[in-house]
Amino acid sequence: DTGVSQDPRHKITKRGQNVTFRCDPISEHNRLYWYRQTLGQGPEFLTYFQNEAQLEKSRLLSDRFSAERPKGSFSTLEIQRTEQGDSAMYLCASSPRWQGLNGYTFGSGTRLTVV
Amino acid sequence: AQSVSQHNHHVILSEAASLELGCNYSYGGTVNLFWYVQYPGQHLQLLLKYFSGDPLVKGIKGFEAEFIKSKFSFNLRKPSVQWSDTAEYFCAVNNAGNMLTFGGGTRLMVKP
Repeated sequence: DTGVSQDPRHKITKRGQNVTFRCDPISEHNRLYWYRQTLGQGPEFLTYFQNEAQLEKSRLLSDRFSAERPKGSFSTLEIQRTEQGDSAMYLCASSPRWQGLNGYTFGSGTRLTVV
Repeated sequence: AQSVSQHNHHVILSEAASLELGCNYSYGGTVNLFWYVQYPGQHLQLLLKYFSGDPLVKGIKGFEAEFIKSKFSFNLRKPSVQWSDTAEYFCAVNNAGNMLTFGGGTRLMVKP
């Protein structure tokens, strides 16, 4: 499978714990995006990387959220001190530079449940 | 900030019925417009997109959408739906940068 991979698929955590999600983009894609989708809503943009540089961040990305893409390949999204409101599907997408919006490919997401 | 509205949250149709899903956006400048589909248990997939040119765009699986600039709309249509079209449909807009702004989605159920 050469699509966008996200791990884990599901995560249940207790409030206050830290969680980390991983995204492996399509190998030749240098752009990587994180979105969050809560129940009954469309995806909301969180952040965007071009190679290892984080170029855009949404105001939704509070201080408890941090995203990295250290070598310009896979990315991690960490949430510290989780709250019940963090329960959502976290989606990753990637695209090649020359296609940009034209070439968005989404992963299947990581569903986070905070109890 | 721009916003995207999808007025139909749930639509139920019988097979062979015609489909039209509404999408309106708030931004007045140049926009790029998209429709994505999410089949049960699967990831978001691009159905069709509009960047410029002919405002009537055709996508995969017989879907089409019409961009009407004066109405800030980009409605999705299909003349005859099939049971396999049961899915959630999302309209999305880009006006700058690389982020997409999505609508809230429309759940379509097609009865066989």
